[in-house]
Amino acid sequence: GNSVTQMEGPVTLSEEAFLTINCTYTATGYPSLFWYVQYPGEGLQLLLKATKADDKGSNKGFEATYRKETTSFHLEKGSVQVSDSAVYFCALRGKAAGNKLTFGGGTRVLVKP
Amino acid sequence: EAQVTQNPRYLITVTGKKLTVTCSQNMNHEYMSWYRQDPGLGLRQIYYSMNVEVTDKGDVPEGYKVSRKEKRNFPLILESPSPNQTSLYFCASSLRGLASDEQFFGPGTRLTVL
Repeated sequence: GNSVTQMEGPVTLSEEAFLTINCTYTATGYPSLFWYVQYPGEGLQLLLKATKADDKGSNKGFEATYRKETTSFHLEKGSVQVSDSAVYFCALRGKAAGNKLTFGGGTRVLVKP
Repeated sequence: EAQVTQNPRYLITVTGKKLTVTCSQNMNHEYMSWYRQDPGLGLRQIYYSMNVEVTDKGDVPEGYKVSRKEKRNFPLILESPSPNQTSLYFCASSLRGLASDEQFFGPGTRLTVL
C-alpha cells in the first residue's frame, strides 16, 4: 500500500535559517503530493501541492518539487520566521478506492528568535 | 466563509458511553472523511464518504460508525468508546474524491475516554 516517510523532529532553527524537511513516499501509479501545516491548537491547512512529476508547489516562501525518480517531495524554505513554528505533514493522495490522504508522521519545527 | 466545523471541540467521557462527534461543511463537497491523529503516527483515515449514502472503511474503522444522510453532514459515532480511542479527531472534505483535490480540515475534536 501507500506510505509516506518524513524526517522525525523536532527541528530547532534560528530565525532566517534555511529549512529542509525530507519526505519520501511509496505509492502505486501517480499520486498527488501535499504538504500540510498544523499550527498549535489548530487543524491542518494545505501549504502546497504538486500533482505530477517535476511539478513545483510553492506558497508563503515554501517550495517542494515532485521527484518521481527519487520518490521524494522535500519541503524547503530559505529564511524561516518565528511564525513558521508548527508541525508539518507530508501526504499523498492516490487513485485507489477512497482516495484517502496517506500522511507521514509529522515534523515539528521550532524557530527561535 | 467556506469551512468545515466540528463539535464538540473537546470531550471527556467514560468507557462505554455512546457519543457522536458532528461534522458539517458548507462548500457543497461530495467527499468527506474522518481521521484520527496520534503522536508519531500522523493522521489515519477512519471512514470516508464519496457522496450521500455512500460510505466505506478507511484504515482504522474498528469501534466507529458513520452516516451520510445529507451532503453537508458526516457524523462520527462511537457506540461504546474505549480508552484506546482517546485521540485527536479531524473531519475533512473535498470537492470530489480525485487525487488532485485539496482536502479541507475542521479544527479538530480532542477526545479523552477514561
